[in-house]
Parts: sequence; C-alpha cells; structure tokens
Amino acid sequence: GQQVMQIPQYQHVQEGEDFTTYCNSSTTLSNIQWYKQRPGGHPVFLIQLVKSGEVKKQKRLTFQFGEAKKNSSLHITATQTTDVGTYFCAGNRDDKIIFGKGTRLHILP
Amino acid sequence: SQTIHQWPATLVQPVGSPLSLECTVEGTSNPNLYWYRQAAGRGLQLLFYSVGIGQISSEVPQNLSASRPQDRQFILSSKKLLLSDSGFYLCAWRGGRNTGELFFGEGSRLTVL
Repeated sequence: GQQVMQIPQYQHVQEGEDFTTYCNSSTTLSNIQWYKQRPGGHPVFLIQLVKSGEVKKQKRLTFQFGEAKKNSSLHITATQTTDVGTYFCAGNRDDKIIFGKGTRLHILP
Repeated sequence: SQTIHQWPATLVQPVGSPLSLECTVEGTSNPNLYWYRQAAGRGLQLLFYSVGIGQISSEVPQNLSASRPQDRQFILSSKKLLLSDSGFYLCAWRGGRNTGELFFGEGSRLTVL
C-alpha cells in the first residue's frame, strides 16, 4: 500500500537555528500537504503543494515539492519557540490522505 | 462557516466493552470524512474514510468499524475494545475531491484498561 516516510523523527535545535524535515512517498502523489500539531492539540493545515518542483514560502517556512512528485521538504529558518510541535506531511492520492509519522521539533532556549 | 464536532473528548473503557465515537460537520454538504488514530507520540494512522453516505473505505483491518448514516455524520465503533485500541482518535473532513485541506476535530482520547 501507499507509504509516506518522514525523517527525522525528532529534532532538537537551538533557538535561532534552522530546521528541515523530509518526506518521501512510495508512489506518485496528486499533491502533498503539510500540517503542524502543537502538543495536546490537533493537526492544523499549513500548506498544499500541487505542481512538480513547486516551492512556496510562508514567512520563515519554505516548502518544496519534488520534480517526480514523490518527495517534499519543509525548512524553517531561524527557529523560534513558537515553532515547537510536530510537523506532518500528508500525501494525497485519490481520496486517501496518508500521513507521515511526523517530525517532533524541540527548541532549546 | 464550517465547523466539526467530535465527542466524547475523553473516555476510559474496560477491555471488551463497546465503543462509539461520533463526529458531525456543519456548514458544508457532501464532505469527505476521515477517521485517524494517533498512538502516544506517534503519527496519524488512517483508519477509515468516506466519500458519501453509506460509503466506507477501510485502511487497516482491525476490530473497529465506521458508519456514515447521514451526510455529515461519521461514527467510529467497536463491539469489543482491546488494550491496543488506546489512542487519540481524530475525525476530519474536507470539501474537495482529491484536493483541499483537512479540517480536524478536537479529538477523542481513549484509554482502554
């Protein structure tokens, strides 16, 4: 079945350092979405990428979708304490939305 | 505006007891509906999804079942809970076919003892 793999599982960074999480799918995706889940909360949508090679930015966050539409990355520049949480990628194929296991980001003050 | 309600928020159930979690969506019609489970500190596992009334697709064989008796109602059930059923259950909806963001409910935290 379709699998979405995400690495790393955990990441500790000093406040102000950059952070990147990577996502790979075993199959070609229609689109890929990114979500953020704060501790104790539910996932909240960040962005959707649709086109091959697409790059989108939201302030300090940069999202990329691979040329083959099978991989994606999220890069955060100069992390802040508000960035704490778990970041999930989610691959969309037909009506199924399969999530990666997420990357839990810890910020060290 | 659209809203999603999920209940109960927390429950503690003995092994072997039945389960019913309910999810309703307001402010939209014919949504795609999803049930996910999140084990402690883990990722989101897709359990069931539905594209219409009475249409249920199961992703993982288990002792859980789902039903969609009405357009905006999605129910997750079990006849006999197992210890391994403990987790955080999330209902979600989206409006578009094959695209569009998921909107999640607040979640139901189930502990099976």
